[in-house]
Amino acid sequence: DIVMTQSPDSLAVSLGERATINCKSSQSVLDSANNKDSLAWYQQKPGQPPKLLIYWASTRESGVPDRFSGSGSGTDFTLTISSLQAEDVAVYYCQQYYYPPLTFGPGTKVDIK
Amino acid sequence: EVQLVESGGGLVQPGGSLKLSCAASGFTFSGSAIHWVRQASGKGLEWVGRIKSKADSYATAYATSVKGRFTVSRDDSKDTAYLQMNSLDTEDTAVYYCTRLRYTSGWSGLDHWGQGTLVTVSS
Repeated sequence: DIVMTQSPDSLAVSLGERATINCKSSQSVLDSANNKDSLAWYQQKPGQPPKLLIYWASTRESGVPDRFSGSGSGTDFTLTISSLQAEDVAVYYCQQYYYPPLTFGPGTKVDIK
Repeated sequence: EVQLVESGGGLVQPGGSLKLSCAASGFTFSGSAIHWVRQASGKGLEWVGRIKSKADSYATAYATSVKGRFTVSRDDSKDTAYLQMNSLDTEDTAVYYCTRLRYTSGWSGLDHWGQGTLVTVSS
């Protein structure tokens, strides 16, 4: 199974400041069929299902604010919130969908400092 | 509008069975891969299993933790997917979500999720 790790477990950032979350996969999640990394980022707020933010490691989902960006390739990936807003308080998960079992990272809780 | 609506959750005793349903609308269900993801209270997301479309021979896959106990199926005539859960254990207590793995020039994330249904395994 591909193991996903995230760091940090939690972080508190001042409003308007940058938040950075790291994700690492235990093996490459590059899909040779389309030469894209099968890596997604989700945001989950309390009492709600997860929401897809980023797929293919760096492609922003339609309707997601451009302060959210994804980067990385191979086994190391990053989610950046360029200017944290109050509504961004949530838990963020990375996930590989390259091969089953699909696996999620343990999550990173983002809060306001 | 794409919608996924889970139902069938509830309280069940250890060792018991339960069948969840996921009713879909607003997209071509028959061409879509449907996944199940669960989340225990206060915990992270755990992928449970999936079923692909007829074009992919209805291929299924499961998490190690549920393999041999859970079965994913679908009825394309009803735009509904199912999760049959047998030999339930207290560790299976969670909110169960159904979700769609989108395909656009390649698989591209779990883009739509239901609101979830709570399964509680307790005596």
